[in-house]
Amino acid sequence: QKEVEQNSGPLSVPEGAIASLNCTYSDRVSQSFFWYRQYSGKSPELIMSIYSNGDKEDGRFTAQLNKASQYVSLLIRDSQPSDSATYLCAVKYFGNEKLTFGTGTRLTIIP
Amino acid sequence: GAVVSQHPSRVICKSGTSVKIECRSLDFQATTMFWYRQFPKKSLMLMATSNEGSKATYEQGVEKDKFLINHASLTLSTLTVTSAHPEDSSFYICSARGMGERNSPLHFGNGTRLTVT
Repeated sequence: QKEVEQNSGPLSVPEGAIASLNCTYSDRVSQSFFWYRQYSGKSPELIMSIYSNGDKEDGRFTAQLNKASQYVSLLIRDSQPSDSATYLCAVKYFGNEKLTFGTGTRLTIIP
Repeated sequence: GAVVSQHPSRVICKSGTSVKIECRSLDFQATTMFWYRQFPKKSLMLMATSNEGSKATYEQGVEKDKFLINHASLTLSTLTVTSAHPEDSSFYICSARGMGERNSPLHFGNGTRLTVT
């Protein structure tokens, strides 16, 4: 059973600080990694994709992938109240069409 | 680009009736669409993978006779919840990946909130 694990939170971060979200996954034959943001009652929206080891930055967001340690993280700089949401980590495994989602981390940015 | 439209966004139906949910890729062709279900404060649960022109592949524990999936074209997949019961009340979300984009992220529809009374 392949698994994607996240701390469910809630994670509270003061406005303007850095929010750090972590995700670990089992099985080494992983191919692609994604972070989605989901507001309450809404469907997930893609924040970041990362395919190779290292960091990938997009605006206030940085995704970090370490395949050897089997973790992927998301950093949100200068956190804003609008960043308050559930963040879902998803992994696509080699040879498999579907994405496997973690349980999500609920993030609250405190003004 | 990569817009997925899902309809209806919200539906209330009586127990025993059937409900059809449509998922369309508006600006790309999707050979594969995925149907998810989400209970409150829970993560996404994959129900089935829908491939254009062939039978859907259902995840373990999902009743294929209850959740009928049809993917008749490269831009449309439908999920029909047959003989709905209150326990089928949930948030149903479709997603799609474009042709030739095997490693790309999924594009999600806006979801359908189903309430069975």
